[in-house]
Amino acid sequence: EAQVTQNPRYLITVTGKKLTVTCSQNMNHEYMSWYRQDPGLGLRQIYYSMNVEVTDKGDVPEGYKVSRKEKRNFPLILESPSPNQTSLYFCASYRVGYGYTFGSGTRLTVV
Amino acid sequence: AQSVTQPDIHITVSEGASLELRCNYSYGATPYLFWYVQSPGQGLQLLLKYFSGDTLVQGIKGFEAEFKRSQSSFNLRKPSVHWSDAAEYFCAVGAWSGGGADGLTFGKGTHLIIQP
Repeated sequence: EAQVTQNPRYLITVTGKKLTVTCSQNMNHEYMSWYRQDPGLGLRQIYYSMNVEVTDKGDVPEGYKVSRKEKRNFPLILESPSPNQTSLYFCASYRVGYGYTFGSGTRLTVV
Repeated sequence: AQSVTQPDIHITVSEGASLELRCNYSYGATPYLFWYVQSPGQGLQLLLKYFSGDTLVQGIKGFEAEFKRSQSSFNLRKPSVHWSDAAEYFCAVGAWSGGGADGLTFGKGTHLIIQP
């Protein structure tokens, strides 16, 4: 089954403790991206990647890092999480002519 | 930069009634437009998309949307809603440059409530 898989689904962490949210797609898509969803703000793009080793900032990149060492994986890294990064995160991959396939989301709480 | 406006934060519709959710976009070139639905606690599901061609687009679950370039709109419609349609609906515009994708810009969403 074609899908985007994010882990974990839920995460509670403390301020300053580095964490990684993994994202993997099995569709051989070149393009992947990360979004955060906050009430009243909709979804906003954090980072995107057009191919291996090619990444670029989205609308809200501060406090996040990404890497794209292989086509299928696009992890989101929070080096020093803060409470304002408490949010629902979605990973997505893209195929020309179709659009975006989203993962199931990761609900992150930073205390 | 592109932007998307969904003017209605909440809409309440009686079961069996027709539905129209509004979406207006701002983008300098031909847009690629999407509607997604999000049920509570769930991810995003693609309802339909417009890339080019026929301006009336059919999607899943009985939804359709019409692209009107002159009005910069891409409104979502359904002739008769079901209680299971209660969800959050997001309109999005995609920016394409050089054949690649710079990402989606989403509206803030419309929360659809279905009355019995």
